[in-house]
Amino acid sequence: DIVMTQAPLSVSVTPGESASISCRSSKSLLHSNGITYVYWYLQKPGKSPQLLIYRMSNLASGVPDRFSGSGSETDFTLKISRVEAEDVGIYYCGQLLENPYTFGAGTKLELK
Amino acid sequence: EVQLVESGGGLVQPGRSLKLSCVASGFTFSNYGMNWIRQAPGKGLEWVAYISSGSSYIYYAETVKGRFTISRDNAKNTLYLQMTSLRSEDTALYYCARPGADWGQGVMVTVSS
Repeated sequence: DIVMTQAPLSVSVTPGESASISCRSSKSLLHSNGITYVYWYLQKPGKSPQLLIYRMSNLASGVPDRFSGSGSETDFTLKISRVEAEDVGIYYCGQLLENPYTFGAGTKLELK
Repeated sequence: EVQLVESGGGLVQPGRSLKLSCVASGFTFSNYGMNWIRQAPGKGLEWVAYISSGSSYIYYAETVKGRFTISRDNAKNTLYLQMTSLRSEDTALYYCARPGADWGQGVMVTVSS
């Protein structure tokens, strides 16, 4: 199984500042079709996960452009610029390259 | 607007069975593979099962293989998860999802005597 390792487990950010979350996969997530199958989600308190970034760097519909995704074949970063109160929650990376799909343990973002 | 609405959860004794349903709307259900993903209380996300659009390909997590059965009825836009021989460790919020896009609100399954 592909292991997804996130860091840090928690981050405390002052509103208006930026935050970065890292995710590393135990295997390349680059498919032969050129697509890298890493996804980022935000789970707000008491809610379902919502898609933020798909295929490493594509912003999901309705997601503010303060969010961005980047990376290589095995190392990925979610960046949140100008953090707002609505960004509080747990962020997960996940790989949808192959079954079993797997997710990172999550990074809890809090406001200072 | 895409909607995935799960139902069928509840409190069940260990060893018993339960069947979850997920009704989809807002997209062409028959064109997409679908998944069940669960989240134990206070824990992270665990993928459970996948079924392809035409039910030709089905995969399960090792933790549920042989006990859970995923199926779908494209005429009814409905995804199912038949769960048997339930264990306390199956206690979780179960999401119906196209994880590359949409998630349902989840349905709680509690396995306890």
